Amino acid sequence: EPEVTQTPSHQVTQMGQEVILRCVPISNHLYFYWYRQILGQKVEFLVSFYNNEISEKSEIFDDQFSVERPDGSNFTLKIRSTKLEDSAMYFCASSESAGQETQYFGPGTRLLVL
Amino acid sequence: GQQLNQSPQSMFIQEGEDVSMNCTSSSIFNTWLWYKQEPGEGPVLLIALYKAGELTSNGRLTAQFGITRKDSFLNISASIPSDVGIYFCAGQLNYGGSQGNLIFGKGTKLSVKP
Repeated sequence: EPEVTQTPSHQVTQMGQEVILRCVPISNHLYFYWYRQILGQKVEFLVSFYNNEISEKSEIFDDQFSVERPDGSNFTLKIRSTKLEDSAMYFCASSESAGQETQYFGPGTRLLVL
Repeated sequence: GQQLNQSPQSMFIQEGEDVSMNCTSSSIFNTWLWYKQEPGEGPVLLIALYKAGELTSNGRLTAQFGITRKDSFLNISASIPSDVGIYFCAGQLNYGGSQGNLIFGKGTKLSVKP
């Protein structure tokens, strides 16, 4: 069964450094998402992406965040200058089309900012 | 913003018992989803509900989309040890041709004693 994949599974970085989290959505999906989950808390929406542009973003997704689909398969989340509070699990998700289509989640990248 | 109230926060049950958890919202959703998350993993979709009043089963799991579109419940019958995990409800509000992001509840942590 097709699945969303994410790399790396874990990333440790120093405060102020840039990180890029990578995702490969399910191949025939057109809508892509990033969510994050701070340890012990609920999953929170960051951004959705369709047709090479951001569709929606939350207030969490400030200027230090950016997303990109650099080629036909990858979808990336860049955090420009990491802060301690960026430590969390970051999940990528994808869905097939607009409307009532289910979002499928990847296994996540655990980011730890020191 | 929209918030989901999920209860109970945690449950400790004996193997074989039935489980019930629910989510309520002050605003309506077009889609309700139930996910299960195990430690270090991404949320895995269990059941998706698309119409008010809809009752859907997936094996021992049954979920319903409330008539008011502001609530949903998930039942697990005859629980087994592998049901252990955190169960999240998520609501989605689709509008126009775009796809809404998911709003997650805080989760119900289920522990099953053999």
